[in-house]
Amino acid sequence: GAGVSQSPRYKVAKRGQDVALRCDPISGHVSLFWYQQALGQGPEFLTYFQNEAQLDKSGLPSDRFFAERPEGSVSTLKIQRTQQEDSAVYLCASSLIRTDYTEAFFGQGTRLTVV
Amino acid sequence: AQSVSQHNHHVILSEAASLELGCNYSYGGTVNLFWYVQYPGQHLQLLLKYFSGDPLVKGIKGFEAEFIKSKFSFNLRKPSVQWSDTAEYFCAVMYSSASKIIFGSGTRLSIRP
Repeated sequence: GAGVSQSPRYKVAKRGQDVALRCDPISGHVSLFWYQQALGQGPEFLTYFQNEAQLDKSGLPSDRFFAERPEGSVSTLKIQRTQQEDSAVYLCASSLIRTDYTEAFFGQGTRLTVV
Repeated sequence: AQSVSQHNHHVILSEAASLELGCNYSYGGTVNLFWYVQYPGQHLQLLLKYFSGDPLVKGIKGFEAEFIKSKFSFNLRKPSVQWSDTAEYFCAVMYSSASKIIFGSGTRLSIRP
């Protein structure tokens, strides 16, 4: 597609429910990033993939958060047993190569609300 | 710790006014610097970047930023704002030792028509 696509755009989950957020990067982009943006804050890094390899997951806030990119294209961010503090916009970005952030394109995000 | 500070949470200007948004980052060696913009209902877009060379960089839509190494600053400027510049602006830093961009908390810019 023309840009990074994320789905769903909005997700309401009951506390304790598991959720899965999908990111379709720009075709051919090697690098993929997930960020979490709480209300009134800047995006916070969660994790980074280069192709199918997860090279950095230092930003994942707890072991309830899990990300995968099994074929080096589509990525899924899974949150188990959601808590209210997980409510945020989850952003995905992709780029051609890791250090070339000039080519890092962001999706519109998934707004997760945990009730 | 590596961090980015944006001094203004919300800035309100009239059309044609000049704009300067402050950004400071903590020391951490070699850095790459960015300004992103997020228009209402849209995704983050890159406004401009500094990697090396001329510390005064020009971006899209008439924006520019100056990297002042001695002050650890990368302030965003525009000589004359337009109503369409209403958006959230994020300063961001990538340290050479890291694999990620660190974002500031953002500045909301409102332009009175």
